[in-house]
Amino acid sequence: DAGVIQSPRHEVTEMGQEVTLRCKPISGHDYLFWYRQTMMRGLELLIYFNNNVPIDDSGMPEDRFSAKMPNASFSTLKIQPSEPRDSAVYFCASSLLGAMETQYFGPGTRLLVL
Amino acid sequence: AQSVAQPEDQVNVAEGNPLTVKCTYSVSGNPYLFWYVQYPNRGLQFLLKYITGDNLVKGSYGFEAEFNKSQTSFHLKKPSALVSDSALYFCAVRDESGGYQKVTFGTGTKLQVIP
Repeated sequence: DAGVIQSPRHEVTEMGQEVTLRCKPISGHDYLFWYRQTMMRGLELLIYFNNNVPIDDSGMPEDRFSAKMPNASFSTLKIQPSEPRDSAVYFCASSLLGAMETQYFGPGTRLLVL
Repeated sequence: AQSVAQPEDQVNVAEGNPLTVKCTYSVSGNPYLFWYVQYPNRGLQFLLKYITGDNLVKGSYGFEAEFNKSQTSFHLKKPSALVSDSALYFCAVRDESGGYQKVTFGTGTKLQVIP
C-alpha cells in the first residue's frame, strides 16, 4: 500500500487566492482526519470524517476553511480566501476504526501564503 | 475534556544512554494513549499505544512506554539511544468515555541524541 497520499507537497500562493489541498487515504480506512501544524499552536485537528461523512468540524478555524469527502478515496481541504496566518503544514491521516486505532499520516502539504 | 502535556520542549541525551520523554494526561474515563514520532519534513509515524492490559507497552524501533494510572503518566523510554532517534515525539490521548473519535496531541518534545 502506498500509504496516505497528499498533494501538492508544497504550495506558495498570494493572500486572497483559493487553495485546495488533496488527500487520498489508505484503502479500506473508515476515518479521515485533517490536521494543521504550526510552531505556535502545534498539531491541531481541523475536521474528521467517518465513512465520508463529516463528524466533527469544530477545529475548523473560520468559514474560509471547508472540507469535503466525495468518496472513500478522496478528500479536499479548501481555503478561500487564503491569508498569511494560514501558512502551516497540513496533514491528512486515516485510520481503520477511529481513535482506538493507529492513525496513518500523509507527508503533509507545506502551505505558504504571502 | 481530554488533554495531554509534554513538559519538556527538548530532551538531550548522549548516544548509548537511556532516554525518557515525558507525558502526562487528563481524561474523565479510561485513556487510550499513543506515541508518534515525526522526522524532519515527514508526517507523524506511529510508535506504540496503550489501550488496556499490561502497563508496559513495547513498540517500534526498541521504544517502550509505561502507563501509570496513579500518576496519569505515559512516559516514552528506550534503553540505549541512537543518533537516528533524533526527532520530534508526540504523545496523544483519547478519552474512552468520549463520544468523539478525535485524539488530542501534545505539543511535542524534540529529542536530540548527541554522538
